[in-house]
Amino acid sequence: DIQMTQSPSSLSASVGDRVTITCQASQDIKNYLNWYQQKPGKAPKLLIYDASNLETGVPSKFSGSGSGTDFTFTISSLQPEDIATYYCQQYNNLPIFTFGPGTKVDLK
Amino acid sequence: QVQLMESGGGVVQPGRSLRLSCAASGLTFRNYGMHWVRQAPGKGLEWVAVIWYDGSNKYYGDSVKGRFTISRDNSKNTLYLQMNSLRVEDTAVYFCASDRRSKVLEYWGQGTLVTVSS
Repeated sequence: DIQMTQSPSSLSASVGDRVTITCQASQDIKNYLNWYQQKPGKAPKLLIYDASNLETGVPSKFSGSGSGTDFTFTISSLQPEDIATYYCQQYNNLPIFTFGPGTKVDLK
Repeated sequence: QVQLMESGGGVVQPGRSLRLSCAASGLTFRNYGMHWVRQAPGKGLEWVAVIWYDGSNKYYGDSVKGRFTISRDNSKNTLYLQMNSLRVEDTAVYFCASDRRSKVLEYWGQGTLVTVSS
């Protein structure tokens, strides 16, 4: 089974800061990785698909990169509305999906 | 716009059964693979099951295999999750979600809470 890890598990940042989250897969998953945002009490929302493609309607301050086993998710300038937990999700061994443990982002 | 609405959650004793439903609108339901994803209180997301657009294939996460059954009725635009032999650790919010190209979870419902407790 493919295991996903994320770091950090939580972070505090100031408005306007650049925020970076990493996701690591236990084996090569090519670019078969998505990123989701989940706000408290809400359903997750797709932000990035295929590691680096911005979902339609998602602000360009969000970006993703990486391939193989190491991936990065970035918020270029943190805003209060970005406070959420962010999850990576791999789909290399379809139809099974695996989520990372999540990274909680809050304001300093 | 696309709406997925889960129902059927509640409080149930360990060992009992419960069936969740997910009513879809705003999309051609029969064209989409559908998933269940759950989230235990204060925890992360756990993928539960998937069913092909036509119901021909179904797959499950290891923690629910043999106890849960995913199904769909394309004539009613509805997805189901039959949960048997429930355990305390099945306590979670259950989300239904539609997939795109079988690779991303595109649309999500708001979730329904299942609490397994004696």
